[in-house]
Amino acid sequence: DAGVTQSPTHLIKTRGQQVTLRCSPKSGHDTVSWYQQALGQGPQFIFQYYEEEERQRGNFPDRFSGHQFPNYSSELNVNALLLGDSALYLCASSLVRGADTQYFGPGTRLTVL
Amino acid sequence: GNSVTQMEGPVTLSEEAFLTINCTYTATGYPSLFWYVQYPGEGLQLLLKATKADDKGSNKGFEATYRKETTSFHLEKGSVQVSDSAVYFCALKENSGGSNYKLTFGKGTLLTVNP
Repeated sequence: DAGVTQSPTHLIKTRGQQVTLRCSPKSGHDTVSWYQQALGQGPQFIFQYYEEEERQRGNFPDRFSGHQFPNYSSELNVNALLLGDSALYLCASSLVRGADTQYFGPGTRLTVL
Repeated sequence: GNSVTQMEGPVTLSEEAFLTINCTYTATGYPSLFWYVQYPGEGLQLLLKATKADDKGSNKGFEATYRKETTSFHLEKGSVQVSDSAVYFCALKENSGGSNYKLTFGKGTLLTVNP
C-alpha cells in the first residue's frame, strides 16, 4: 500500500523565484492538505483540497496557491519567494468521511537564498 | 482561536524510564486530539488519537487520555527505548461539522533516550 509521496525531496531557490511542490496521496484517499513546518516549530496549515477545489485555507498570503488533479494528486505553488519561506513543506492525505486521520508524506525541504 | 501548548523540551531520559509529555489545548466545542511523532529526517506519523472526552488512545506502549475538564491530552509511556527518540507533536482538529480538516499543532517536544 503506497503511502503519501512528495517530490522533490530538497529544493534550493533564490528570492523572488517561483516553486512548485508535488504530492501524491495515499491510495484510496481523495483529500490533500498542505502544511508548512519552519525549523523547530510545529506544522502550520496552508490549505486543503477536495474535488479539485480549495475547501479551507489557513493564514497564508495569496503567494501560496495550489491545485488538485482528477487523480487526487496535488501541487503547491509559491510565488515571489521570500527568505522566510524556507521550511519543510508537508503534504497530508485523508478520506473526506474519515478526515479525523491525516497521513503525512516525508516532506519537501525548501531553502530560499 | 484554537491552540495547543506542549511542555518545552528537550526531554532526555535513560532507557526504561517513565515518560510524560504534557499537552493542553484551547478550542471551541469538542475537538479530536492527536499525538504525532517525527523521526529525524522524516515526515509525521500518527501515534495515537482520541475523539471524545475520556477516550484513551494507545499505540506502541504510548497512551494519552482526553481530559475535557482539564483540557489536556498528556502523552505517557511506562518504559522508553532508544528507538523512541524523536520529536512528538500534540495536535487538535476542531469538530465543527461539515468540512473542517485543519490540524492545529503544538511546537513539538524533542525526546532523547540514552542507553
